[in-house]
This record gives sequence, C-alpha cells and structure tokens, in this order.
Amino acid sequence: AQKITQTQPGMFVQEKEAVTLDCTYDTSDPSYGLFWYKQPSSGEMIFLIYQGSYDQQNATEGRYSLNFQKARKSANLVISASQLGDSAMYFCAMSYYGNNRLAFGKGNQVVVIP
Amino acid sequence: GAVVSQHPSWVICKSGTSVKIECRSLDFQATTMFWYRQFPKQSLMLMATSNEGSKATYEQGVEKDKFLINHASLTLSTLTVTSAHPEDSSFYICSARDLRTSGRGNIQYFGAGTRLSVL
Repeated sequence: AQKITQTQPGMFVQEKEAVTLDCTYDTSDPSYGLFWYKQPSSGEMIFLIYQGSYDQQNATEGRYSLNFQKARKSANLVISASQLGDSAMYFCAMSYYGNNRLAFGKGNQVVVIP
Repeated sequence: GAVVSQHPSWVICKSGTSVKIECRSLDFQATTMFWYRQFPKQSLMLMATSNEGSKATYEQGVEKDKFLINHASLTLSTLTVTSAHPEDSSFYICSARDLRTSGRGNIQYFGAGTRLSVL
C-alpha cells in the first residue's frame, strides 16, 4: 500500500524567504508519480508540481521546485520567495502509473508573515 | 491548468433528505473523476472513482447506496448523498483526471469543494 508521510508541524515563514516542506513516501513499485497540491482556507485544491519516478531532473514550476531523492524516497517541495498568498495547507500525494488514484499525506500548514 | 467546476459550494439540508453535488470539467473531457471527503484539519480521503459510462468503484468502507455516483457524460459526474444524516456533514471535493497530461502523471484537477451541513 502507498504511504505518504508529512510530519512537520505548522510553519511560519517570513515573506520573501524560501521554505522547504518535507514529504517521504513508501512504495515497492518502480513506476509512480509524486504531486504537490496547495489548499488555501477557501478549500480548493490547487495543483503545484509533478515528479515522475523515472524523471532524471528535479521538477520546477515557477517558484516551486521539487527536491526528489529517489533512494531516500523523499520528494520535498521548495517554495522560493514566499508571498503572503502562499499561506495554506500543502499536501504531498502519490499515484501509481496505470492507476491514477492519489494517496495523500496529512499536509503541512504554512503561514507566511510580513 | 485545467478547470473543474463543482456545485454547489455550500449546502444545508434537513436530516433524511438527499443532496446532489455536481462536478464538471469545463475545458477538457474526463473519462475518470474522483470523489473525496475531507474532515476538518485532516487529509483527503478517496471515496470513489467515477468512470464515464460504467459503474463507480467505491473504496472499502464507503456505502455505495448512501453515496450514489453517476458519470453520464465526459464532462459531468454527480455525487448524491441519499438520506443524509448529521454524520454525513463534511467537505466533499471532486477531481477530474486530465489525460492531456499523460506525460505528467495524468494530473488530477480539483473542484472548489462542497461544504455539506446536515441538520
């Protein structure tokens, strides 16, 4: 079974600083995808970034980058130059290829302070 | 990213009534949609996979007669909470799988969610 672990407590981040959100996963399948989603207080889930298990390079999407360490089974999200609008819950998720069902971690709360 | 619309965003109903929630993919076709439930301060729990033109696949422990799913077209899936009771009060959120992103794991795009309160 897939298992996603996000254990960091709530985080306060200074505006314009970078923040790293930890995510580890457990799987024996060689083919999988890793996703990060943002959920602001309004509730919608916003897709941020994707990393495939066979991707050689770390994914980047604007201010978001993913630090993928396959041997350690970690997929940490890095948000650079934090903005007040980045305050939200951030969820790490994983799916198996050919399945597409997502398993979510418990989330990380981020609060950006001016 | 793709756009998924979910309606209504908020509903209050009396115990024993049924509530229908709609999930639409607005700018792409979705053969597969997913329905999740989220309790306060918790993660998303997958309830069922909605497949266009066929029966939904429910996760273990989810009552299929309580949560009826219909995926009648390539852009619309509906979740009906039948005979709702206070314990069904929750945040329900849908997603649609975008096969145009097959090179990126078939990204699931989410609706804005529905907050259901059963009195």
